[in-house]
Amino acid sequence: IAGITQAPTSQILAAGRRMTLRCTQDMRHNAMYWYRQDLGLGLRLIHYSNTAGTTGKGEVPDGYSVSRANTDDFPLTLASAVPSQTSVYFCASSDSMGGYTFGSGTRLTVV
Amino acid sequence: GNSVTQMEGPVTLSEEAFLTINCTYTATGYPSLFWYVQYPGEGLQLLLKATKADDKGSNKGFEATYRKETTSFHLEKGSVQVSDSAVYFCALSDKAAGNKLTFGGGTRVLVKP
Repeated sequence: IAGITQAPTSQILAAGRRMTLRCTQDMRHNAMYWYRQDLGLGLRLIHYSNTAGTTGKGEVPDGYSVSRANTDDFPLTLASAVPSQTSVYFCASSDSMGGYTFGSGTRLTVV
Repeated sequence: GNSVTQMEGPVTLSEEAFLTINCTYTATGYPSLFWYVQYPGEGLQLLLKATKADDKGSNKGFEATYRKETTSFHLEKGSVQVSDSAVYFCALSDKAAGNKLTFGGGTRVLVKP
């Protein structure tokens, strides 16, 4: 593992189903983030965590939840997926100087 | 709150043409400014940054100058290549907002041979 690993790479999900997007980093960064990318809207922050054991809401948190049980992992859960959650999801982490590293993304389609 | 506005694309250019992508921002504090690049099928990579007024960030032939008086951070490259085809995002981070990144909508650039 080098940097941030996201899984799965892509997924087609039936509406109403529960889904967890995984994110793991090996840089020991304290802060981690989940963004969604939609055409023309750039990346919008869903949830963040400044350190293990703490989480916070971003710009578009509704329908999503996160947990931060340890420094390395920051999973994002959709409790009951809806078509408007079709998007590309990026996990990121940042070091103490504010330098960000992004994962390669998860493309999610809710049908 | 903080916001970033950048020109909409797509921008289509011929190889060796001059590229400018406009970016303006609104922030309550004194933000750091960034340009990120996303190549097809990949995540975002930091292209350049500037942390205070009048700083110039540069990388791979790209430049951007932090203009506090016009709240702008326009990206420029004098001679683009086909390999520069990507989506470019302007972003800011603000200590007052916990250093979280705020992004513009992205500008797709297509360079034709």
